[in-house]
Amino acid sequence: EPEVTQTPSHQVTQMGQEVILRCVPISNHLYFYWYRQILGQKVEFLVSFYNNEISEKSEIFDDQFSVERPDGSNFTLKIRSTKLEDSAMYFCASSHPTATNEKLFFGSGTQLSVL
Amino acid sequence: AQSVTQLGSHVSVSEGALVLLRCNYSSSVPPYLFWYVQYPNQGLQLLLKYTTGATLVKGINGFEAEFKKSETSFHLTKPSAHMSDAAEYFCAVSGLHGSGNTGKLIFGQGTTLQVKP
Repeated sequence: EPEVTQTPSHQVTQMGQEVILRCVPISNHLYFYWYRQILGQKVEFLVSFYNNEISEKSEIFDDQFSVERPDGSNFTLKIRSTKLEDSAMYFCASSHPTATNEKLFFGSGTQLSVL
Repeated sequence: AQSVTQLGSHVSVSEGALVLLRCNYSSSVPPYLFWYVQYPNQGLQLLLKYTTGATLVKGINGFEAEFKKSETSFHLTKPSAHMSDAAEYFCAVSGLHGSGNTGKLIFGQGTTLQVKP
């Protein structure tokens, strides 16, 4: 089965630093998502992206966050100035245009630790 | 607005026993309902989904769930637990894509299933 791949699997950064989390969605998918899971808490929606623009974002997704599809294959999440509370597992997901929310394919996640 | 409540953050069963993980949802639109499983150090894997049609849906690894609109529930069951079923289970809801719905999933807080030998 095709996979969504995320790199790196673990990222450690200092508070205030910028981080970029990378994702390669499944090649024929057109809807892309970022979710995060703080340790011990539920998986939370951050943002959805379609046709090179954000289609929906949550309250969590403030000005410190941005997403980009720079080259037609990668889908990135940037956090400009990380805070301690940004420490979480970040999941990328994608879906096929004809199946959209019927099946999201999730990557294995990037564990971000902000020190 | 949509929300999901999973009753019980931890469930412990003996190997071979019935597994029942509870999920109740709230949705102002016809819901799409999902169960995902997360094994340690892995991502989220779809177990099963309900979109339309038959209310009893079967998924992978012997799991099934029944959509009960009158009870706003989508409980996950498996007749006989196996040690390999030990994982975190998430119930999620979404709405029909379109009309401003981008297909995002709203997750419950998760239930950790422990299987004792």
